[in-house]
Amino acid sequence: NAGVTQTPKFRILKIGQSMTLQCTQDMNHNYMYWYRQDPGMGLKLIYYSVGAGITDKGEVPNGYNVSRSTTEDFPLRLELAAPSQTSVYFCASSPLPATSTDTQYFGPGTRLTVL
Amino acid sequence: EDQVTQSPEALRLQEGESSSLNCSYTVSGLRGLFWYRQDPGKGPEFLFTLYSAGEEKEKERLKATLTKKESFLHITAPKPEDSATYLCAVQAIAAGNKLTFGGGTRVLVKP
Repeated sequence: NAGVTQTPKFRILKIGQSMTLQCTQDMNHNYMYWYRQDPGMGLKLIYYSVGAGITDKGEVPNGYNVSRSTTEDFPLRLELAAPSQTSVYFCASSPLPATSTDTQYFGPGTRLTVL
Repeated sequence: EDQVTQSPEALRLQEGESSSLNCSYTVSGLRGLFWYRQDPGKGPEFLFTLYSAGEEKEKERLKATLTKKESFLHITAPKPEDSATYLCAVQAIAAGNKLTFGGGTRVLVKP
C-alpha cells in the first residue's frame, strides 16, 4: 500500500491563479481530510469528507473547494490564490469508525507559495 | 470550543537527558487524544491514542500518559533520531472524526 499520496510536492502560484491539489489513498478509508499548516503552528482543518459525494467545511474553508467523486480521491481546489494561502497542505484519511476513535493517516504534504 | 496547548514550544536536550512534553486540553467530552511525530518536510506520523484518564502507552523511548486535563509525552534517554516536532490532538465526542491540534513541540536532541 502506498497509503496517502499527494501531488504536487511543491508549487508556486501568482496571486489570482487557481490550482488543484491532488490526494489519493489506497487504504479504502471512508473519511478524508484536508489540513493546512502554517510555520510553527498546528494543523487547521479546511474540509473533510465522510464518503463519496459527501463533504463538509472545517475550521478554515474560505478560499477553497473540494469534491469527492470516488472513495480514493479527494482533490482540493484553490480559486483566486492569495498570499494568505501560502502554507503546507496535508491530506489525511481514516477508516469508518465503529465504536471507537480511528487514527488519521497523513500524506507527505504539498508546499504552496503564493506570490 | 475545543482547545489544545502544547508546551514548551521548543526543547533542546543532550543525548540521554530525559524530559517531558505537555499537552493541555479543553474539550466538551473527550473521545480520544492523539500524539503524532512530524519530521521536517514530512507529514505527521501516528504514535499513540489515549482514551481515558490514567491510560498509558509506550513505544521505544516514548511514553504517553493522560489525565482529565492534560497529557504528557515522556522521552526517556533520547537519541538524536528522536529529534522531531511532536504534535498533540484531541477528538471530541461531538466533533465526529475531526481533530483539533496543538501547535507542537520542536525537540532537538544533540549527541
